[in-house]
Amino acid sequence: QKEVEQNSGPLSVPEGAIASLNCTYSDRGSQSFFWYRQYSGKSPELIMSIYSNGDKEDGRFTAQLNKASQYVSLLIRDSQPSDSATYLCAVRGAGGFKTIFGAGTRLFVKA
Amino acid sequence: DAGVIQSPRHEVTEMGQEVTLRCKPISGHDYLFWYRQTMMRGLELLIYFNNNVPIDDSGMPEDRFSAKMPNASFSTLKIQPSEPRDSAVYFCASRPTGGRDTIYFGEGSWLTVV
Repeated sequence: QKEVEQNSGPLSVPEGAIASLNCTYSDRGSQSFFWYRQYSGKSPELIMSIYSNGDKEDGRFTAQLNKASQYVSLLIRDSQPSDSATYLCAVRGAGGFKTIFGAGTRLFVKA
Repeated sequence: DAGVIQSPRHEVTEMGQEVTLRCKPISGHDYLFWYRQTMMRGLELLIYFNNNVPIDDSGMPEDRFSAKMPNASFSTLKIQPSEPRDSAVYFCASRPTGGRDTIYFGEGSWLTVV
């Protein structure tokens, strides 16, 4: 079992819709959870971090964490074509700074 | 701030040759990470350093790979001998000990082994 799993997609949504991206992780001791966005040919950049159960909102982005289910999600409201990218879920375990990434979900937002 | 600087940006080499990738982390960052990204395996952590000391190298694929960090502002990832399956984008990243729990990535070194 991979440590961090994501559906590779592609996920295609129309402009203005809500895009929902999901991630599960295997290490129950994980403490920190992140969503990175990676445009084609570019390096990953952090868009959201979440550390406790529940929702965290930042503009059009909402991260959701459920530690009991070992599940992290990212919602993108009012999706724009510029949101088209690969979204990487990342998890840092308890102790140390080893951050493990999922394989990423490709998102296409159709104008 | 200049960000994480990697070189070379692109390299094409022949199988069996030695490859050296270089990284300059963001000044003041105590942690340095080397990741490899391929379509098949995604973004894999190879090794990370704290204060120039290797902490976890469990992701280094085999003895052909080695990484060093001789000082706080420089790290190398070496592949000797290189093989076609090493073709990937190699990212260096850094983060500070305190503050936001963010990893800052360099632009990557695109390696092709033919």
